[in-house]
Amino acid sequence: NAGVTQTPKFQVLKTGQSMTLQCAQDMNHNSMYWYRQDPGMGLRLIYYSASEGTTDKGEVPNGYNVSRLNKREFSLRLESAAPSQTSVYFCASTRRGVRGAFTDTQYFGPGTRLTVL
Amino acid sequence: AQTVTQSQPEMSVQEAETVTLSCTYDTSENNYYLFWYKQPPSRQMILVIRQEAYKQQNATENRFSVNFQKAAKSFSLKISDSQLGDTAMYFCAFMKHVGGPVRSSNTGKLIFGQGTTLQVKP
Repeated sequence: NAGVTQTPKFQVLKTGQSMTLQCAQDMNHNSMYWYRQDPGMGLRLIYYSASEGTTDKGEVPNGYNVSRLNKREFSLRLESAAPSQTSVYFCASTRRGVRGAFTDTQYFGPGTRLTVL
Repeated sequence: AQTVTQSQPEMSVQEAETVTLSCTYDTSENNYYLFWYKQPPSRQMILVIRQEAYKQQNATENRFSVNFQKAAKSFSLKISDSQLGDTAMYFCAFMKHVGGPVRSSNTGKLIFGQGTTLQVKP
């Protein structure tokens, strides 16, 4: 049981390049999230997928797109990277409880450190 | 909108002593969850403790306990018998409790504070 895995662990991009961050979970969780963490700040939500087949914007979605490929996988894409997207990116997942309530803890992946030059 | 504030950017404590990290939040909701996450230098986010707002009893997990003051919207973390392995950044987080069918408003998303860096000194 690997929990939440993310690839790659590190990445350096040039301005304007594109890339996709991959996330997978093996806990049969319904909901998945992408956060970014910048120095001196807590994690901020970029996009989330409350259940397979749905995605929605979070607090800071500009410059990103997501795909919920299946129940296990949730990818984050930067179409044209900018220096402001230099950050550490975390994927998280959680299950839904009785009657769809979010009652459980979010489990986080190890993060991807992205640098955009 | 909900906000979470951690007013102590950095703290230090001697090994084996007790330290308290502060967290306040702002919400108009009555039913919600509060969390403390630990982030060591490895960057991994690790759940330390959680509290359901409808429970009056403060949550405890071994050396970690909280002081939950709902009326004051305060949620502090106490670490007893501090250990070198407790050195990390600690984040307070809020989650609104929303049940029912899947809707765009039914997110389960976490709102984080800015974090407190804790250094445990030998």
